[in-house]
Amino acid sequence: ETGVTQSPTHLIKTRGQQVTLRCSSQSGHNTVSWYQQALGQGPQFIFQYYREEENGRGNFPPRFSGLQFPNYSSELNVNALELDDSALYLCASSLYREEVYGYTFGSGTRLTVV
Amino acid sequence: LAKTTQPISMDSYEGQEVNITCSHNNIATNDYITWYQQFPSQGPRFIIQGYKTKVTNEVASLFIPADRKSSTLSLPRVSLSDTAVYYCLVGDRVNTDKLIFGTGTRLQVFP
Repeated sequence: ETGVTQSPTHLIKTRGQQVTLRCSSQSGHNTVSWYQQALGQGPQFIFQYYREEENGRGNFPPRFSGLQFPNYSSELNVNALELDDSALYLCASSLYREEVYGYTFGSGTRLTVV
Repeated sequence: LAKTTQPISMDSYEGQEVNITCSHNNIATNDYITWYQQFPSQGPRFIIQGYKTKVTNEVASLFIPADRKSSTLSLPRVSLSDTAVYYCLVGDRVNTDKLIFGTGTRLQVFP
């Protein structure tokens, strides 16, 4: 059983640029959630995808968008990067509304915006 | 979702038992209590979940009093590798499928 894989592990971007982060969910999981974790803070919920549709969104602006593919993998896209977007971005997979607290997290992508 | 309150940090020594208490005064009838562990530069990892009384697994125990307004995560005989941030989450397993994290408790284990 494979875990959650995220790529890339680290990334440096310039303010104003766009970035795409990728996530492969754990085998058998059909739901992907994305979290942003600033240094010293707990993870903040960005949005969740189920059946290729957004299924809930946290308090993040529209320049944060996502996709889920038929194989349940997912992408997080951030446009017009700002310095405050520098954070660890975590992807978590789960079975929709089953064992909802048995999320499996990836190791994250460390994004630095300069 | 019920709000949780945990100590910001705790220190311990190897071999000691560590108890981290979480307050959740507004817990709802259908809410479960779940704890996650996070090491630096890694994603959180599920530790334990419970509804009432006591739950034990190979990693930890979770004690929940009858009124369920608080819970205590107990880590027996901690080692240096238990140094991490521990998050307490409260929510309904059926109707709430998004995890809401607080700032967690930073546990530092010393030799």
